[in-house]
Amino acid sequence: AQSVTQLDSQVPVFEEAPVELRCNYSSSVSVYLFWYVQYPNQGLQLLLKYLSGSTLVKGINGFEAEFNKSQTSFHLRKPSVHISDTAEYFCAVNGQAGTALIFGKGTTLSVSS
Amino acid sequence: EAGVTQFPSHSVIEKGQTVTLRCDPISGHDNLYWYRRVMGKEIKFLLHFVKESKQDESGMPNNRFLAERTGGTYSTLKVQPAELEDSGVYFCASSPAVFPYEQYFGPGTRLTVT
Repeated sequence: AQSVTQLDSQVPVFEEAPVELRCNYSSSVSVYLFWYVQYPNQGLQLLLKYLSGSTLVKGINGFEAEFNKSQTSFHLRKPSVHISDTAEYFCAVNGQAGTALIFGKGTTLSVSS
Repeated sequence: EAGVTQFPSHSVIEKGQTVTLRCDPISGHDNLYWYRRVMGKEIKFLLHFVKESKQDESGMPNNRFLAERTGGTYSTLKVQPAELEDSGVYFCASSPAVFPYEQYFGPGTRLTVT
């Protein structure tokens, strides 16, 4: 069975600071990996995805993530955050395209000035 | 192009009552998914339609939940009778029938059972 662990439930940072949101997964098969973001009162929006190929994946709004197979991790990074990045971020995995996504519990990123 | 829409956005009902949630997927998307997030926990899969057929309903918690997808278009999720533990946010997502089957989510329906 697959599972996803987001190691931090809340991450407070100051504006323009770098941030890393951690995600580890467990799976006995190859996986597809995703990061979604949920802004207040909105639905989930896909930030980026890893399907295959280059382990460094770039997404929207300046975010990137690196797939590390040996450490079964898919950490999300941004070199300089903005107030508008305040949101909840979800790491997700599935073992076969088109099937159910398995989500982590989410990390709330709070950016203050 | 319109995104995934869900109705209602909020619903407050009493234990024992019935509630029906509706999801309208993106036009042309064959795949439709239902997920639920109970407060403080992760988003969990409920079921997956391909067109009007249930592809995977392994996440449905019990037989008080009934999902339908009429004509392969919109879907409804009925909870009857509702229990306190059914409270949470119900998300719908849809995806096209081509790789990578990216799932687009709706804003969710917040259900509160009192």
